[in-house]
Amino acid sequence: DGGITQSPKYLFRKEGQNVTLSCEQNLNHDAMYWYRQDPGQGLRLIYYSQIVNDFQKGDIAEGYSVSREKKESFPLTVTSAQKNPTAFYLCASSNSYGYTFGSGTRLTVV
Amino acid sequence: QQPVQSPQAVILREGEDAVINCSSSKALYSVHWYRQKHGEAPVFLMILLKGGEQKGHEKISASFNEKKQQSSLYLTASQLSYSGTYFCGATADRGSTLGRLYFGRGTQLTVWP
Repeated sequence: DGGITQSPKYLFRKEGQNVTLSCEQNLNHDAMYWYRQDPGQGLRLIYYSQIVNDFQKGDIAEGYSVSREKKESFPLTVTSAQKNPTAFYLCASSNSYGYTFGSGTRLTVV
Repeated sequence: QQPVQSPQAVILREGEDAVINCSSSKALYSVHWYRQKHGEAPVFLMILLKGGEQKGHEKISASFNEKKQQSSLYLTASQLSYSGTYFCGATADRGSTLGRLYFGRGTQLTVWP
């Protein structure tokens, strides 16, 4: 079955640590996205990539980094520069028929 | 460029109808609708292109009014399974349903038996 796999489902980060969230898709979609979701805020775009080896900043890119070395993979690194990283992170990919979302990673700073 | 959704929350009894609106101050090319259950991924419902197109999915349908830059989602004879948060997402790029979506803040729908 085609879809998007995010891992881990839950992640705990200590202050000052970098952590990487994994996102893999087997839908053969060119475009991939990372969104952050906070209560009452909706979905805010962090980064997106429309083609391998290219990506663009979204609305809240500060403190995050991404890479797109393979079509199937779009990992997100939450760096220590992100001051308030506790949130639900959603990865998505799209074609002309719409977006498909992964099941999300809940990141908590401890 | 974030679309504005209204209302923020709706509470219904099973079998009642509801309308959720999504409007933008910028010209829209396409509008997407998604439903998210608590703690889960948003699920795609439908996509509408400019031109007043109306689409349906089970007893859920939507319209796109290009003049008003607004899309409305209609939930008819609501079921318990309709509970969740509904998001609209809009693209402004002409000629494309691809590219980044600008999402509204969501409308929380609760259906009671």
